[in-house]
Amino acid sequence: DTVLTQSPALAVSPGERVTISCRASESVSTLMHWYQQKPGQQPKLLIYLASHLESGVPARFSGSGSGTDFTLTIDPVEADDTATYYCQQSWNDPTFGAGTKLELK
Amino acid sequence: EVQLVESGGGLVQPGRSMKLSCAASGFTFNNYDMAWVCQAPKKGLEWVATISYDGSSTYYRDSVKGRFTISRDNAKSTLYLQMDSLRSEDTATYYCARRSGSRWDYWGQGVMVTVSS
Repeated sequence: DTVLTQSPALAVSPGERVTISCRASESVSTLMHWYQQKPGQQPKLLIYLASHLESGVPARFSGSGSGTDFTLTIDPVEADDTATYYCQQSWNDPTFGAGTKLELK
Repeated sequence: EVQLVESGGGLVQPGRSMKLSCAASGFTFNNYDMAWVCQAPKKGLEWVATISYDGSSTYYRDSVKGRFTISRDNAKSTLYLQMDSLRSEDTATYYCARRSGSRWDYWGQGVMVTVSS
């Protein structure tokens, strides 16, 4: 299985820029997607194919990367962005990162 | 509006079976592959199984192969997950999700399955 490694948690202030990283144990090309999950809710697709913004998602969210290193950026961060963010690869059997919990100061 | 509504969860004893359903609406169900994804309490997301748009192909994570069966009824716009020989480690919230291209663009609200004696 392709292992995806994310930093466990981040804390930022509203209005700041935050980058959430995801590293794959092998190249997944650009077959990487990002989801947001708030407590008690289902995951929500934010970014697909590494850099494509899902319809209806604010342009404050962006994604980049290819191969093994990927980044989700939120700029500027808003209070409503408090959530856990997961990366997911679809190069082979789908796997998710363990999630990065974003908290606001 | 795309809607996915799971049902069929609850408490079940180890070794017993349970069948989950996911009723889809708001899109042409038989045009899309579908999947089940689970999340153990306080844990991350794990892919469980995928089924092709016509039901001809199915894929499973290793830990559920031989125990879980994904299926669909396109006439009823419904996805299923038959779970047999359940184990305590299968305790999780199970989400159905629509596959678009290589990503999952719509998710249900989830259904909880608790495996315990």
